[in-house]
Amino acid sequence: QVQLVESGGGVVQPGRSLRLSCGASGYTFSSHAIHWVRQPPGKGLEWVAVIWYDGSNKYYADSVKGRFTISRDNSKNTVYLEMNSLRAEDTAIYYCARDRGPVAGQSFDYWGQGTLVTVSS
Amino acid sequence: QSVLTQPPSVSAAPGQKVTISCSGGISNIGSYSVSWYQQLPTTAPKLLIYDNHKRPSEIPDRFSTSKSGTSATLVITGLQTGDEADYYCATWDTSLGEVVFGGGTKLTVL
Repeated sequence: QVQLVESGGGVVQPGRSLRLSCGASGYTFSSHAIHWVRQPPGKGLEWVAVIWYDGSNKYYADSVKGRFTISRDNSKNTVYLEMNSLRAEDTAIYYCARDRGPVAGQSFDYWGQGTLVTVSS
Repeated sequence: QSVLTQPPSVSAAPGQKVTISCSGGISNIGSYSVSWYQQLPTTAPKLLIYDNHKRPSEIPDRFSTSKSGTSATLVITGLQTGDEADYYCATWDTSLGEVVFGGGTKLTVL
């Protein structure tokens, strides 16, 4: 069965960096795009970034552009989210989600359980 | 302020029908397919509808959708207490170059 497992969350000071990982199993990893979606405590979903099946294209939300970098290692079935210059407003549960197709098709058929990132001094 | 507008909350009795609207513009719903997600309390979101009207095999036909112009609607019939959740619409926005979500609608089954 398809599984996505996020890791790397925690408490970090403003201005510092953190790297999240999303490990996938149960399907052909290199055939699907992967997204990161976040949810601040008590609030709605916010899309963060997407990377195509082969890593050739990446897109970011304006709110994280220039600070966050998405990447993938198809040999390790893993997607990463490198988060720099973190701000209090980046505090959220971060979910990775599989796109139904190889490129960004804006529908996510499997989601991980999420990892909490707290930016606080 | 979300690009896609949903009502903050809706409610109905068990067995009844409820509709959740998602209003956008020509650069998002008007040009791209819409997907819908259900988020039960303290769980990750779950795909309910993709490509405007298609349901994953495990989603019952009590969940259906419609789309017209720059708006989409989720319809849930035969409401059950287990349907109490937050519901989100989503699509691509070509002006922003991003996926956009609605603000979410909390469904209460009275």
